[in-house]
Amino acid sequence: KAGVTQTPRYLIKTRGQQVTLSCSPISGHRSVSWYQQTPGQGLQFLFEYFSETQRNKGNFPGRFSGRQFSNSRSEMNVSTLELGDSALYLCASSRTFNPGGNEQFFGPGTRLTVL
Amino acid sequence: EDKVVQSPLSLVVHEGDTVTLNCSYEVTNFRSLLWYKQEKKAPTFLFMLTSSGIEKKSGRLSSILDKKELFSILNITATQTGDSAIYLCAVDNTNAGKSTFGDGTTLTVKP
Repeated sequence: KAGVTQTPRYLIKTRGQQVTLSCSPISGHRSVSWYQQTPGQGLQFLFEYFSETQRNKGNFPGRFSGRQFSNSRSEMNVSTLELGDSALYLCASSRTFNPGGNEQFFGPGTRLTVL
Repeated sequence: EDKVVQSPLSLVVHEGDTVTLNCSYEVTNFRSLLWYKQEKKAPTFLFMLTSSGIEKKSGRLSSILDKKELFSILNITATQTGDSAIYLCAVDNTNAGKSTFGDGTTLTVKP
């Protein structure tokens, strides 16, 4: 069974630009969660989607948005990039929403660098 | 300064037991409280709580928030060895992008 895939793996952008990251969950998984990981703040929860609906949203500004498609693939978008947005963006999938202890499977991440 | 305190720091139980993990907090401009489970590398999201008194439940796990007394509990019933992990509580204030994490509770479930 293929794992969670994320594209692109690496991105370099400049301040003010926007970026779209993509995540394909494991086949049969309907929940996708996004996380931002930085050395200073550790892992921060961005949002969770299930069946094309955003179930939970972390404490991030409106520049961070996402969506999920009917095939469970998800995209997240960051507009008006700031230097502080440089991070590893991780996507995780699970069978159900609000995993509640059910295992989440992480993708390899997208490393975003904002210059 | 925002503060999150979790108790107990560690807990050892046997399969089938029920456990209650505690999280108390002091935070300016509270927005939400989150529970995570960390087994190996990255923590995985469990629950987000924003309103008092509304229990969130998923399988054997449930959680509730008391915004008056400033605490939350995470309950796990009929524990299994797969529940062994560090359980982290984090609180968000309304300043975007900042979560304050507790030190975590290390739960060990023995067969």
